[in-house]
Amino acid sequence: DAGITQSPRHKVTETGTPVTLRCHQTENHRYMYWYRQDPGHGLRLIHYSYGVKDTDKGEVSDGYSVSRSKTEDFLLTLESATSSQTSVYFCAISDGLAQPQHFGDGTRLSIL
Amino acid sequence: DQQVKQNSPSLSVQEGRISILNCDYTNSMFDYFLWYKKYPAEGPTFLISISSIKDKNEDGRFTVFLNKSAKHLSLHIVPSQPGDSAVYFCAANAGGTSYGKLTFGQGTILTVHP
Repeated sequence: DAGITQSPRHKVTETGTPVTLRCHQTENHRYMYWYRQDPGHGLRLIHYSYGVKDTDKGEVSDGYSVSRSKTEDFLLTLESATSSQTSVYFCAISDGLAQPQHFGDGTRLSIL
Repeated sequence: DQQVKQNSPSLSVQEGRISILNCDYTNSMFDYFLWYKKYPAEGPTFLISISSIKDKNEDGRFTVFLNKSAKHLSLHIVPSQPGDSAVYFCAANAGGTSYGKLTFGQGTILTVHP
């Protein structure tokens, strides 16, 4: 299995609070991604990174920001959480754009 | 606008028989396709992929077929095993500046009965 650790695995928080999810990899892969999974939508790309300090927006980036200060860590921040951001969040890594992405086990986030 | 669609939410198959999972897409810029399997409380696991220059790719019990003119791909699992019971997602990758940004289908729940 690819060395990807997501933390926390579960979180419950209140509307309006900031939330940060962490993805840590031990594979030294250049590319890292954040997705959310919702019923009826499959997985949708939030943000991705193609190197340290290099990030770009995905399909559903509104309300989210990311940072990558080290190769191994990719942080996803919800600036002010809303109930519509209740979801399961997955981090993925790949060592090339044409290579398969490998996923972490997800973070289940509930915003009340 | 759903660019990748899996129109069957679920599929039930007997052990030992063939499972066929289908996926349709609308974006003609997609040139690389992948299938993932997902168990509950785990992340998706990569199964098999196919480039648009091919129409078939095989890996053990898993074969992916691509029909570019119909914008359709399918995953065949032969023979099906109870451990194959999971949610299956197809995903597509467009070229150019969109490379690496996977677009996923909604998933199909496969149940293989012993």
